[in-house]
Amino acid sequence: DIQMTQSPSSLSASVGDRVTITCRASQSISSYLNWYQQKPGKAPKLLIYVASSLQSGVPPRFSGSGSGTDFSLTISSLQPEDFATYYCQQSYSFPWTFGQGTKVEIK
Amino acid sequence: EVQLVESGGGLVQPGGSLRLSCAASGFTVSSSFMSWVRQAPGKGLEWVSVIYSGGDTYYPDSVKGRFTISRHNSMNMLYLQMNSLRAEDTAVYYCARTSYYGSGRYYFDYWGQGTLVTVSS
Repeated sequence: DIQMTQSPSSLSASVGDRVTITCRASQSISSYLNWYQQKPGKAPKLLIYVASSLQSGVPPRFSGSGSGTDFSLTISSLQPEDFATYYCQQSYSFPWTFGQGTKVEIK
Repeated sequence: EVQLVESGGGLVQPGGSLRLSCAASGFTVSSSFMSWVRQAPGKGLEWVSVIYSGGDTYYPDSVKGRFTISRHNSMNMLYLQMNSLRAEDTAVYYCARTSYYGSGRYYFDYWGQGTLVTVSS
């Protein structure tokens, strides 16, 4: 199975901060990488697919980059509604796997 | 508008069975890829199954042989039959439309609100 490791596991940031979350795959997954946002008690929401494509309706302050084994999700200017948990997920091979999540909290 | 609504969760004893349902609207289940993803209380996300538009199905080893994903084309419904349930299957189960970008790249673009399955005696 491909292991997905996110860092950090949690972070504290202020509104307006630039935030970057990284995701590392245990083997190369090309661009088969997606990012999701989940708020407490809610279903996950797709933010970025195939590493860098912004899902329709997602604000452009979210961006994704990377290929191979190293990927990142960047929020250019953190907004109050962005405090949530973020997950990466690979679809390169079965079983599809998620990272353990990164919780973004208010400083 | 795409909508997914799960139902069928509840309390079941270890070794028991449960069938989850997912009612879809705004798109056609039979011509889409569809998945189930679960989340144990306080834990992360785990992919559980996928059914391709052509009918092929895939599962992780943790549920293979115990869970079966299926669909009812005319009712536009997705199902997850869960047998031989274990305490570790306790989770919120989400159905998710799974879009295909090409070259084997898939992503979950629409999710239901989830249904809670609790396996306990």
